Amino acid sequence: DQQVKQNSPSLSVQEGRISILNCDYTNSMFDYFLWYKKYPAEGPTFLISISSIKDKNEDGRFTVFLNKSAKHLSLHIVPSQPGDSAVYFCAASVGNAGGTSYGKLTFGQGTILTVHP
Amino acid sequence: GAVVSQHPSWVICKSGTSVKIECRSLDFQATTMFWYRQFPKQSLMLMATSNEGSKATYEQGVEKDKFLINHASLTLSTLTVTSAHPEDSSFYICSARGRGLDSPLHFGNGTRLTVT
Repeated sequence: DQQVKQNSPSLSVQEGRISILNCDYTNSMFDYFLWYKKYPAEGPTFLISISSIKDKNEDGRFTVFLNKSAKHLSLHIVPSQPGDSAVYFCAASVGNAGGTSYGKLTFGQGTILTVHP
Repeated sequence: GAVVSQHPSWVICKSGTSVKIECRSLDFQATTMFWYRQFPKQSLMLMATSNEGSKATYEQGVEKDKFLINHASLTLSTLTVTSAHPEDSSFYICSARGRGLDSPLHFGNGTRLTVT
């Protein structure tokens, strides 16, 4: 049972435009969500997170939106840069950074983002 | 910043042998470490949670006798794949968090295991 789903295996965007990566989840107990960026043969690198008490969190070019009623979150990258090309994973957790459950992440399958110059 | 080091980065072993993977937190004390594995084109799947000084907690479907986890110190956790078989070939990644309530989660660079 895939509790976190990224239905788009790949996304191609022109440099300077917006990249929108989507993620859906089924477990209503999830209350903390994270986005990671991953290059081949490397571990994931944390990008941005959001708690379920918020619907938006912004950090520079990265913004994460959370729609709890739809059990959907998205990552917006504006403007997209060629260096953003990587695999992006969304992940969910029961319990936030202060909770003992934090770290037990359920990951989506990932979306390969390619930003063309 | 905080760094998690994983060693080796890749290993090839023969079927039936055992392989040990190390995960070290380099500049912080990691009370909890997590071991994940990733099959090609699939998501990272949590295998087990490793707490310093206590037994690891394994996720459903993960054989604890096959994947031995030892978290002997606050900076080191090891995963030993015992009697490895070709189906154990995968990408294994550890992650660690420190003591503080706001302590973030850091990932190692992973270990590519190939069993021939």
